[in-house]
Amino acid sequence: EAGVAQSPRYKIIEKRQSVAFWCNPISGHATLYWYQQILGQGPKLLIQFQNNGVVDDSQLPKDRFSAERLKGVDSTLKIQPAKLEDSAVYLCASSFRLAGPQETQYFGPGTRLLVL
Amino acid sequence: SQQGEEDPQALSIQEGENATMNCSYKTSINNLQWYRQNSGRGLVHLILIRSNEREKHSGRLRVTLDTSKKSSSLLITASRAADTASYFCATAQGAQKLVFGQGTRLTINP
Repeated sequence: EAGVAQSPRYKIIEKRQSVAFWCNPISGHATLYWYQQILGQGPKLLIQFQNNGVVDDSQLPKDRFSAERLKGVDSTLKIQPAKLEDSAVYLCASSFRLAGPQETQYFGPGTRLLVL
Repeated sequence: SQQGEEDPQALSIQEGENATMNCSYKTSINNLQWYRQNSGRGLVHLILIRSNEREKHSGRLRVTLDTSKKSSSLLITASRAADTASYFCATAQGAQKLVFGQGTRLTINP
């Protein structure tokens, strides 16, 4: 079974530029998550989709971050404009159903973003 | 905000020794999960313990949960070099959300 795919793996941009990340979850997984992981910290949930609907985006900086999951499969996360503090690893994860007590999340390799 | 706090932040032991990591949290949970992250990679799920369970085993891993103290521990027995990684606890709040701690960096020395 193929895992969660993410691209690109690395991205270097200058502040105020825009950037987009792509995620393809495990086939059949209804729920998709985007996390931000700053160096030395644990992942922080940015947004959670179930199919193509948003379940939780309470920690998404909506003035600069946006995400979509068209057709309930692939997802893109965009930052526009980027700030220095956005330098982090962006992790995508998926789970089979809406996350509940028994759900395990499967993570992709992440996209490492450096904003100069 | 991150709920879990792992202790210690870093741990270095010799191969073959046991490694113990602790996690404390603040609010009530449905379950607690442990994940491993190798350098430069995504997280891998290790084990899940429900709020009504006290101990769980999986291979060389043993997890305990004390809901009265709001704490959990992860024990890795007979450590190997391949166990070198960061370990995160994550608490499941409500029906959906996982909140991760800041992690313990474990180094196994040959």
